[in-house]
Amino acid sequence: AQSVTQLGSHVSVSEGALVLLRCNYSSSVPPYLFWYVQYPNQGLQLLLKYTSAATLVKGINGFEAEFKKSETSFHLTKPSAHMSDAAEYFCAVSGGTGGFKTIFGAGTRLFVKA
Amino acid sequence: GAVVSQHPSWVICKSGTSVKIECRSLDFQATTMFWYRQFPKQSLMLMATSNEGSKATYEQGVEKDKFLINHASLTLSTLTVTSAHPEDSSFYICSAHMTSGGAETQYFGPGTRLLVL
Repeated sequence: AQSVTQLGSHVSVSEGALVLLRCNYSSSVPPYLFWYVQYPNQGLQLLLKYTSAATLVKGINGFEAEFKKSETSFHLTKPSAHMSDAAEYFCAVSGGTGGFKTIFGAGTRLFVKA
Repeated sequence: GAVVSQHPSWVICKSGTSVKIECRSLDFQATTMFWYRQFPKQSLMLMATSNEGSKATYEQGVEKDKFLINHASLTLSTLTVTSAHPEDSSFYICSAHMTSGGAETQYFGPGTRLLVL
């Protein structure tokens, strides 16, 4: 079965600092991997996705993630945090033995301090 | 990009009543749609896979007689919460699966917030 583990339910950074949100997955090859952002009382917005092309994936709002098969990781980064980045972030996996359905991690809430 | 809508966006109902939530793919056909539930400050939990023209596939622990899913057309899936109770209050999100040019993508709806009094 596929699964996703997000390390750290809360991450706090200062404005302008590096953002690093960790995600490890368990899946048969090849998985599709995603990062979504959710603002309070809103739906999901896709930040980026990995679909077995380039291992470094660039997304919207300056975010990027690197697929590392050897580490089964797909960590999300942004060089410089902005106040507007404060939100809940979900890592997700689909494909492989799971078919089309998407399995979400528990989420990481990002706080950005002024 | 592809758009998925949900209706209603929010609903308040009395305990014991049934509530229907619609999920529509507006500009593409989706043979497969998914229903998720999200409790406050928690992640999205997959409830069921909705397949056009066939019975839905429910995840373990989800009562199929309580959460009725109908995928009557390639652009519409409905989730009916029957005899709703306060513990069913949640944020319900659907997604629609699309295959285009060999790429597979899921598009999420904006969600429906259900409050059962």
